[in-house]
Amino acid sequence: EAQVTQNPRYLITVTGKKLTVTCSQNMNHEYMSWYRQDPGLGLRQIYYSMNVEVTDKGDVPEGYKVSRKEKRNFPLILESPSPNQTSLYFCASRRKGGERVKTGELFFGEGSRLTVL
Amino acid sequence: AQSVTQPDIHITVSEGASLELRCNYSYGATPYLFWYVQSPGQGLQLLLKYFSGDTLVQGIKGFEAEFKRSQSSFNLRKPSVHWSDAAEYFCAVGPSNFGNEKLTFGTGTRLTIIP
Repeated sequence: EAQVTQNPRYLITVTGKKLTVTCSQNMNHEYMSWYRQDPGLGLRQIYYSMNVEVTDKGDVPEGYKVSRKEKRNFPLILESPSPNQTSLYFCASRRKGGERVKTGELFFGEGSRLTVL
Repeated sequence: AQSVTQPDIHITVSEGASLELRCNYSYGATPYLFWYVQSPGQGLQLLLKYFSGDTLVQGIKGFEAEFKRSQSSFNLRKPSVHWSDAAEYFCAVGPSNFGNEKLTFGTGTRLTIIP
């Protein structure tokens, strides 16, 4: 089954304690991205990756890091979490687009709800 | 910069009634447009998408949307809603060239269905 898998699904942590949210996809997608969802703000992009070893900032990258060492994995790292990073996080992937490949459908994971105390 | 506006934060409709969710976008070139649905505790699922061609697109679960360039709109419709349609709906816009650009999402519309 094609899917994007995130772990953990739920996490409560304390300020300053480093954490990693893992994301893995089994569709051989080149493009992967992290979003955070907050009430009244919709989904905002944190980071994205066009391919292995290629990452770039989205709209709200402050306080986050990512890496893309393998095509299937795209972990989100919070080096020193703060309460304003309490949110619902989504990982997503899709095929790389292009002139003749009109695909933009993002496949989403089920989300990781993070609470930072 | 691209943007999406969903003017209705929350909509309540009766089961069996028709539904229209509004979406307005701002983008300089020809956009790709999407509607996603998020059920409670779930990720986002694609309902339908518009890239080009026929401006009325059909999606899953009986939904359709119409692209109106003159109004910069991409409203989602369903002729008769079911209780299982209760969810949050997101409109999104993307670039016509998928290079390094992203999808921009609206703030969502929460749909409540009453018996």
